[in-house]
Amino acid sequence: AQSVTQPDIHITVSEGASLELRCNYSYGATPYLFWYVQSPGQGLQLLLKYFSGDTLVQGIKGFEAEFKRSQSSFNLRKPSVHWSDAAEYFCAVGARGTYKYIFGTGTRLKVLA
Amino acid sequence: DSGVTQTPKHLITATGQRVTLRCSPRSGDLSVYWYQQSLDQGLQFLIQYYNGEERAKGNILERFSAQQFPDLHSELNLSSLELGDSALYFCASSVVDRGTEAFFGQGTRLTVV
Repeated sequence: AQSVTQPDIHITVSEGASLELRCNYSYGATPYLFWYVQSPGQGLQLLLKYFSGDTLVQGIKGFEAEFKRSQSSFNLRKPSVHWSDAAEYFCAVGARGTYKYIFGTGTRLKVLA
Repeated sequence: DSGVTQTPKHLITATGQRVTLRCSPRSGDLSVYWYQQSLDQGLQFLIQYYNGEERAKGNILERFSAQQFPDLHSELNLSSLELGDSALYFCASSVVDRGTEAFFGQGTRLTVV
């Protein structure tokens, strides 16, 4: 069965520090992978996606993610965090040929000034 | 702004009642997805429609139903409401029925009292 694991429920970083949010997935083949961000009271905004090709993908707001097939991971990174990045981040997998997306439980990011 | 519009933003109703949540997808998107976000279950896929037809069902209760109309807007009907149905209900849309990213609305927060 497909699944997505985000092992870190909460992460706190200082403004200007680098960030890495972890995501591991379980799927029999190469899935479609996504990172979404949810600010308080807001919907989910797509940060970036991986379908195929270059395993390092660039997204909006200075985020990037790297697909590592051998580790079944799709970690999200940002070199320098801004206070406005405080939000909840969701990793999702969309199985090729099927219709639904499976979401991880989310990682809540807190940014210290 | 994702282009997906959900109404109402907030809804408070009593147990046993019935409510209807509405979603207008992005212009040109034929596929609509409904998700439920609760503290204990996280983001759960409920159901998907594509061009008026049901395409996939997830963890949707029998008390819940949905439909997509010819103008592509969708409605999620929740009946015999229970306290545990209190959640944030998201609608998302995509161009095709699979294998692409979905764009989420801001959600409808349902509170059952």
